[in-house]
Amino acid sequence: AQSVAQPEDQVNVAEGNPLTVKCTYSVSGNPYLFWYVQYPNRGLQFLLKYITGDNLVKGSYGFEAEFNKSQTSFHLKKPSALVSDSALYFCAVRDAVSNTGNQFYFGTGTSLTVIP
Amino acid sequence: DAGVIQSPRHEVTEMGQEVTLRCKPISGHDYLFWYRQTMMRGLELLIYFNNNVPIDDSGMPEDRFSAKMPNASFSTLKIQPSEPRDSAVYFCASSLWGNGYTFGSGTRLTVV
Repeated sequence: AQSVAQPEDQVNVAEGNPLTVKCTYSVSGNPYLFWYVQYPNRGLQFLLKYITGDNLVKGSYGFEAEFNKSQTSFHLKKPSALVSDSALYFCAVRDAVSNTGNQFYFGTGTSLTVIP
Repeated sequence: DAGVIQSPRHEVTEMGQEVTLRCKPISGHDYLFWYRQTMMRGLELLIYFNNNVPIDDSGMPEDRFSAKMPNASFSTLKIQPSEPRDSAVYFCASSLWGNGYTFGSGTRLTVV
């Protein structure tokens, strides 16, 4: 089975501090992993992805994520949070060899609030 | 490319009326997905198509919901009859095999 968990519904961080949004996944083979961001009244936007290669992936707006196979995690990080980073963040996973086509499995989302 | 285009952006309708949501995927993408988002249930996959063929509709709530993809550039999601509990934001997304999704801006449906 393919699934992803975002253990925190809400993350609060002070502006300028580092932020982490957690994601763990479950697939039977190798994962394709994505992070999306959703601003109020908008659709989900692509942030970054891991398919293969370097475990540290850099994406849009200064975000990065580290693929950790042993811990089956793909946590989203940013060294210095901005108020404008406040949004809803979704992690998504798919098994590289999928029997469900290109269907990705999304987490329940983590609401990030950056406090000025 | 203009991205995934959904229409209308907002729809307010009375209970019992038919509602049709529309989606134009990115040209060349071979997968199309319909999602529903609510505060209570989060993001739910309703149905997805591959090369215009419905692959998995197990997420469609009930027979009142139907989706079609008559060609590679157009899809509809229809609710007939609509009910207040159908109120949500409905997203369409498209992708290529092995790639992530591009989402549309969504249709906010309110059934009164």
